[in-house]
Amino acid sequence: RKEVEQDPGPFNVPEGATVAFNCTYSNSASQSFFWYRQDCRKEPKLLMSVYSSGNEDGRFTAQLNRASQYISLLIRDSKLSDSATYLCVVTSTGTASKLTFGTGTRLQVTL
Amino acid sequence: DADVTQTPRNRITKTGKRIMLECSQTKGHDRMYWYRQDPGLGLRLIYYSFDVKDINKGEISDGYSVSRQAQAKFSLSLESAIPNQTALYFCATSEPGQSFPGYTFGSGTRLTVV
Repeated sequence: RKEVEQDPGPFNVPEGATVAFNCTYSNSASQSFFWYRQDCRKEPKLLMSVYSSGNEDGRFTAQLNRASQYISLLIRDSKLSDSATYLCVVTSTGTASKLTFGTGTRLQVTL
Repeated sequence: DADVTQTPRNRITKTGKRIMLECSQTKGHDRMYWYRQDPGLGLRLIYYSFDVKDINKGEISDGYSVSRQAQAKFSLSLESAIPNQTALYFCATSEPGQSFPGYTFGSGTRLTVV
């Protein structure tokens, strides 16, 4: 089983739609959680950290459920510029600051 | 100039050749990493270094070696390239003690082994 699992998609949604991605992780000792965004053939860039209490950044909301070991990302009012691959990322106890990446979920926002 | 610079950006090499990918950073970070990305497999850690005297294997180090020449430089070598090392390679840096790792990635090196 992969440490971090995501539905690869693609998720094709019209502009203005709300879309949600989920991610599950296998290591219950995982400590920190993030969503990264990666545009085609570009480097990943940090989108937001994920906290147990849930956190919001504009149109983006991230949630963590430690009991069920899953992380979610909700994007409201999708824009064409949101089209990208969204990577779920975790760190675990004992691995210092090494990140473990999911394979990513591809989002395509259309007119 | 970019904070993390990778060279070359693209490279085509033949099977059996030795090749070096270079990474330099101006962030002043102690920690540096090499990842490779393959379709459907995500980013996988090859090697990492927490300071100049520290080198650690990641999950897929076979066939690779690294050198941390200075705090700012971390190079990845393929001693004898093989076609399944064709991938997109990323260098990254981070600083310990932050509330989150805050990786800064280079723009990547697209390597093709023929």
